[in-house]
Amino acid sequence: EVQLVESGGVVVLPGGSLRLSCAASGFTFDDYGMHWVRQGPGKGLEWVSLISWDGGRTYYGDSVKGRFTISRDNSKNSLYLHMNSLRADDTALYYCAKNQGAGYTSRHTYDYWGQGTLVTVSS
Amino acid sequence: EIVMTQSPATLSVSPGERATLSCRASQSISTDLAWYQQKPGQAPRLLIYGASTRATGIPARFSGSGSGTEFTLTISSLQSEDFAVYYCQQYNNWPPVTFGGGTKVEIK
Repeated sequence: EVQLVESGGVVVLPGGSLRLSCAASGFTFDDYGMHWVRQGPGKGLEWVSLISWDGGRTYYGDSVKGRFTISRDNSKNSLYLHMNSLRADDTALYYCAKNQGAGYTSRHTYDYWGQGTLVTVSS
Repeated sequence: EIVMTQSPATLSVSPGERATLSCRASQSISTDLAWYQQKPGQAPRLLIYGASTRATGIPARFSGSGSGTEFTLTISSLQSEDFAVYYCQQYNNWPPVTFGGGTKVEIK
């Protein structure tokens, strides 16, 4: 059974930093690209970042570029999101999501999602 | 960035009736479109990809159609468990992957 379990979400001050983690199991982690997708309170879905199966390629949404860094440790089946210079509009539930297609693929659809970890940026 | 627009924002439907949800892309995305269902307090679930291919385990009452800029998700006979928010997502031109704003299907 595929499982994605996020952790690390807390209340943080504006300008602060945070690292989110996602522990993956039930599939060959290093075959798949992984994404972070967030959802603000009462809002829709916003793609945040993608990392390729081997960690060699990373991509970011404009709203987080230069502030967030995605990484992975395939030896630990883990995905991370390093978040700096946090702002109030970064407040959201952060999901990690597994790419449906393996390898280097352009089919970025998500067949498995975690339950999310809540990040609140507030003074 | 490709903008995805969903309509209507809210759809009121009686159980057993047909529901038709629309999604429009700001430029052609071929058939690189997915649909997700999200229930309160849950993560999204993949329903459809490639505009019309059902994901694993998705009931046949869910169907997708369209290409280019206009897409439709049809639920042929709404069951109680289908009342939820539905999102479309394009993956043709990325980054970024973009989602529509969602359509809430509620009980009439």
